[in-house]
Amino acid sequence: DAKTTQPTSMDCAEGRAANLPCNHSTISGNEYVYWYRQIHSQGPQYIIHGLKNNETNEMASLIITEDRKSSTLILPHATLRDTAVYYCIASGDAGQKLVFGQGTRLTINP
Amino acid sequence: NAGVMQNPRHLVRRRGQEARLRCSPMKGHSHVYWYRQLPEEGLKFMVYLQKENIIDESGMPKERFSAEFPKEGPSILRIQQVVRGDSAAYFCASSHTGGASTDTQYFGPGTRLTVL
Repeated sequence: DAKTTQPTSMDCAEGRAANLPCNHSTISGNEYVYWYRQIHSQGPQYIIHGLKNNETNEMASLIITEDRKSSTLILPHATLRDTAVYYCIASGDAGQKLVFGQGTRLTINP
Repeated sequence: NAGVMQNPRHLVRRRGQEARLRCSPMKGHSHVYWYRQLPEEGLKFMVYLQKENIIDESGMPKERFSAEFPKEGPSILRIQQVVRGDSAAYFCASSHTGGASTDTQYFGPGTRLTVL
């Protein structure tokens, strides 16, 4: 699996959009970009994933650059409950283990 | 549709005892993954199983740890002769199968093991 690089921590004001960057310059053609988050010590929560195209769901949007070397997770209207550690993971085909880095500790401030 | 279930949520064992952690995957999922999170650290992959088969155990410690996913019933992670260093949160994830786009892993709430 490709290595990903994320900022250690970020702050965002409640109600604003939170933009979390991720670099994955060594990603291979068949590797998807996955985003998970972990609130306190709960189990990781799946957010979104994509291969080439931008993706959007009820939780977030994922913007992947054309060369696929980086991506941005966007939480459009951050709330206090979005405070968590966010993990960006590049993962291959079915069955591959997820390799978690240190993630980005996002703090939403009132 | 119930999510991934793990039990017990908290488990306390004394050194030398055995710990058994259970994981019931989401309905329709036949792939199970176990991860461990030591205090103040990230999640580390341990083992990947399909029904009755271990597919990848590259993250499992060589001794005292074993995992199974029988044809019927939950997946079991077993730790024999526990030591204080085994104290951690153990998370189970499951996936459906069939290619990366549909193979998202969904995690359970975890079992927090404390070894006294």
